[in-house]
Amino acid sequence: NAGVMQNPRHLVRRRGQEARLRCSPMKGHSHVYWYRQLPEEGLKFMVYLQKENIIDESGMPKERFSAEFPKEGPSILRIQQVVRGDSAAYFCASSLPLQGRNTEAFFGQGTRLTVV
Amino acid sequence: GNSVTQMEGPVTLSEEAFLTINCTYTATGYPSLFWYVQYPGEGLQLLLKATKADDKGSNKGFEATYRKETTSFHLEKGSVQVSDSAVYFCALRGANSGYALNFGKGTSLLVTP
Repeated sequence: NAGVMQNPRHLVRRRGQEARLRCSPMKGHSHVYWYRQLPEEGLKFMVYLQKENIIDESGMPKERFSAEFPKEGPSILRIQQVVRGDSAAYFCASSLPLQGRNTEAFFGQGTRLTVV
Repeated sequence: GNSVTQMEGPVTLSEEAFLTINCTYTATGYPSLFWYVQYPGEGLQLLLKATKADDKGSNKGFEATYRKETTSFHLEKGSVQVSDSAVYFCALRGANSGYALNFGKGTSLLVTP
């Protein structure tokens, strides 16, 4: 059973370009979470999605960032018009449907975005 | 709000040395506490967890005890191995948050032969 798969592992974009980060959850998992780790910081929650539904996007920047988890295919985190401050590691996690607050989330290897 | 503070790294130890990585938290109510480990080139893996005061989580020789009175969840291992070299993250899930994890900044551990 493959784990959470993120691609690409490394992404370089010039300022003003778009970045698309993909996340395929573990088999059978219908819940996806995105976290961002800025340099010298801990991981920060961004968004929680179920298939075709955004449950909580309270951690998403108000502009340029969007996320989706379609019925078919991976979850996508999209960053439009990237700026240098978007350079970070972006981690995706997935879980089974929540069974209380101790449901384990499984993390991918992350995508390291560098904006030049 | 909820927050986690863990000791700064990097921590360098010789093989078979005793390890402690300090973690303290701020939260309302009774959060669940976790330690995650990230080995080089891999994603975060859950190492251990504790869901209520005085619970002890343990796995692979690592232990951490949920201390409500000191709001701490320090990670310990009696004898580290080279293969324990990794980045360790302390995290909490708040009493009112069913899913979002609050992470510390991570502590890098290097174990030398």
